[in-house]
Amino acid sequence: QVTLKESGPGMLQPSKTLSLTCSFSGFSLSTSGMVVSWIRQPSGKSLEWLAAIDWDGDKYYNPSLKSRLTVSKDTSNTQVFLKITSVDIADTATYYCARITTVAPFDYWGQGVMVTVSS
Amino acid sequence: DVVMTQTPPSLSVAIGQSVSISCKSSQSLVYSDGKTYLHWLLQSPGQSPKLLIYQVSNLGSGVPDRFSGTGSQKDFTLKISRVEAEDLGVYYCVQATHFPLTFGSGTKLEIK
Repeated sequence: QVTLKESGPGMLQPSKTLSLTCSFSGFSLSTSGMVVSWIRQPSGKSLEWLAAIDWDGDKYYNPSLKSRLTVSKDTSNTQVFLKITSVDIADTATYYCARITTVAPFDYWGQGVMVTVSS
Repeated sequence: DVVMTQTPPSLSVAIGQSVSISCKSSQSLVYSDGKTYLHWLLQSPGQSPKLLIYQVSNLGSGVPDRFSGTGSQKDFTLKISRVEAEDLGVYYCVQATHFPLTFGSGTKLEIK
């Protein structure tokens, strides 16, 4: 059974660094073709793709945020991390991680973690 | 970035009716491998998005065949035949041909 679950601080102050974790089971990120992606959604708005990391450790970023994003994975290939530096109120959103495979993209999503940036 | 334009922004339909949602991209979504990476997601109220259709017309796992996708190049359509109550939510198209991946603004389906 494939599951993903995001975790994060809930709330943080402007200018701080947001650290998110996507913990998953039921698949290994070391499997060829496997990708884990981060997507966010401000309340009542559409989805925004942020970053992804694949089975080979290659990383992909949304150019609009690239200078602030860092995606990484753990050596056991069961967790993926996302860091966003210098957060602003505009970074307030629900953050999701999702699996992408060569067969079916975005076939599994986490439940999302709500992050509020506020002073 | 590739702009994904969805219409209509909202729909209100009765159970049993059929509906279509349009998604148009600002660039062709045909990748160099010949495949078209245009997918459809449904976000039910209070839920995470769920994959409905991938690569234009392939049904996601467990998705009923009331859902179908068609289109090519820059013009795509999601059709729901015989709408059921569980189909309510916001439908998004997403393209994964070009980086960065981009989503449509969504179409909200309400049940009359």
